[in-house]
Order: sequence, then C-alpha cells, then structure tokens
Amino acid sequence: EAGVTQSPTHLIKTRGQQATLRCSPISGHTSVYWYQQALGLGLQFLLWYDEGEERNRGNFPPRFSGRQFPNYSSELNVNALELEDSALYLCASSLAPGLNYGYTFGSGTRLTVV
Amino acid sequence: GNSVTQMEGPVTLSEEAFLTINCTYTATGYPSLFWYVQYPGEGLQLLLKATKADDKGSNKGFEATYRKETTSFHLEKGSVQVSDSAVYFCALSRGNTPLVFGKGTRLSVIA
Repeated sequence: EAGVTQSPTHLIKTRGQQATLRCSPISGHTSVYWYQQALGLGLQFLLWYDEGEERNRGNFPPRFSGRQFPNYSSELNVNALELEDSALYLCASSLAPGLNYGYTFGSGTRLTVV
Repeated sequence: GNSVTQMEGPVTLSEEAFLTINCTYTATGYPSLFWYVQYPGEGLQLLLKATKADDKGSNKGFEATYRKETTSFHLEKGSVQVSDSAVYFCALSRGNTPLVFGKGTRLSVIA
C-alpha cells in the first residue's frame, strides 16, 4: 500500500511569489491535514480537509489556503511568500476524523524562500 | 485550549542507557495521546498511542502510560540504540480536533 506522498520534495521560491504544494493520502483516507514545521518551533497545525470541505484552520494568515479534490488529494497554496514561510510542510492523512487512529505522515516538502 | 509540553532537548545518551522523555498535557475530558518519531530527513511515524487512562502503549521497546492523575504520558525505553537517534514528538487529540504536538525532543545516542 502506497503511503502519503508529497510533491515536490524541495521548492525554492522568491519572496512575494506563490508556492503550491501537493499531497496524495493513503487510499481510503478521507481526511488530510497540513502542518508547518519551522526550525525550532515544532509542528504547527495549518489546515484540515475532510470530504472536500475545510474543517478546521490553524492560526495562520489567509494567504495560506488550500483545497481537497474529489479523489481526496490536496493542495496547499501559499501566496505572497515571506522569508519566515521557509519550513518543512508536512501532510498527513487519516481514515476518518475522531477515530483516534493517529495520522500517517508524508515525508514533507521543504520550502525555501529567498 | 489543548496543549502539550515536552522536556527540552537535546538529550544525549550512551548506547544501552535508559531513556525517559517527559510529556505533560492540558486538555478537557479524555484526550487520546500519541508519541511520534521523526528520523533525519523523514516525516513523522507513529510510535505508540493510548486512548484512555491507565492504557500503556508500546512499540519497538518504547513504552508510555497514560496517567490522568498527573496528566502525563512519559516515553521510556530500557536500553537505547544508536538507531533510536531521532526527534520525538508527544501529541494529543480530543474528539475531532486535529492533533496538537509538543515542540519535540531531539535524542542522540552515541556508541
């Protein structure tokens, strides 16, 4: 069974540009979560999608947005990039919300803003 | 709100030493508790979990017991190996809310 896949692995963008990150969940998983892992700050929750709808949002500005497609894959968009957006962005999926099975994480996209 | 506090790292141990990484939480009701591990250059992997008070999660020689009276979920291993060098994250989930993570504890095991 394929795990959670994220693309690209690395992304270098210039300040002010837009970045698009992609995530494919494990087959059968309907929930997709996005986390930001900045150096020294642990994992900060960004967005949660389930069945195509945004279910919850972390404390991030509106220039962080995303969507979930009918096949449950997801996309994270970051507009007007700032230097402090440089981080590892992790996507995770779960079978369904509230079941407490834990999440399966992808290997992440390393975004560098220069 | 819900939160998790882990001991600050880094932790450096010699091979075969005993490991304890402290984790305490703040949450209403009865959250589920998790330990995740992140090896260098990789995403997070679920190490173990406990869903109710007094449950003990265990995997790969690691153990953690859900202690509601002390709101703790400390990670322990009796004899660490070099291959256990990684960053360890404690996390909690309450109902349908997304996982809340601690800041992580970096463990280095030297031969």
